[in-house]
Amino acid sequence: DGGITQSPKYLFRKEGQNVTLSCEQNLNHDAMYWYRQDPGQGLRLIYYSQIVNDFQKGDIAEGYSVSREKKESFPLTVTSAQKNPTAFYLCASRDTDSGARELFFGEGSRLTVL
Amino acid sequence: AQSVTQLGSHVSVSEGALVLLRCNYSSSVPPYLFWYVQYPNQGLQLLLKYTTGATLVKGINGFEAEFKKSETSFHLTKPSAHMSDAAEYFCAVGRTGTASKLTFGTGTRLQVTL
Repeated sequence: DGGITQSPKYLFRKEGQNVTLSCEQNLNHDAMYWYRQDPGQGLRLIYYSQIVNDFQKGDIAEGYSVSREKKESFPLTVTSAQKNPTAFYLCASRDTDSGARELFFGEGSRLTVL
Repeated sequence: AQSVTQLGSHVSVSEGALVLLRCNYSSSVPPYLFWYVQYPNQGLQLLLKYTTGATLVKGINGFEAEFKKSETSFHLTKPSAHMSDAAEYFCAVGRTGTASKLTFGTGTRLQVTL
């Protein structure tokens, strides 16, 4: 079945450590996105990529980094510079070839900083 | 710029009663509008979408929404609530030329009681 796989589902990290969240899709979608979700704040866009080897900052990119070396993969690194990293992180993709506007989401990764 | 306002962070209905979740948007150009549902510790699932054409759109699980341009609204309804409808619901807006960078509302948690 096609879909988006995020791993790990739960992750604990000590302050000052970088951590990388994985996002893999087998939907053959060109565009991929990372959102952060906090209680009562909805989803906020961190980074997005419309094509391999290209990505743009979203609304809250500070303290995060991404890469897009392969079409199916869009990993997110939460760096030690992110002041409040505890959150639920959601990866999404979009089928640009069909002109579709909706996003398909993975199951999310919950990061807790101890 | 675009934005979404969801009135009511929590809504409680009895099983079998009408579900009405409110969403108002602002957009300088014709919008694309979406409703997503999220169950605890899961990703977002698309319920329905409005892009062009018919303003009354039907989605999965018996939900529907009506795009009202004059009221800048896209309220979600379901005639009869079921216990399985208990979840968090997000309204989102996008528009042409923004790489589908959707802007999400803060969410409405729906509780269904016996």
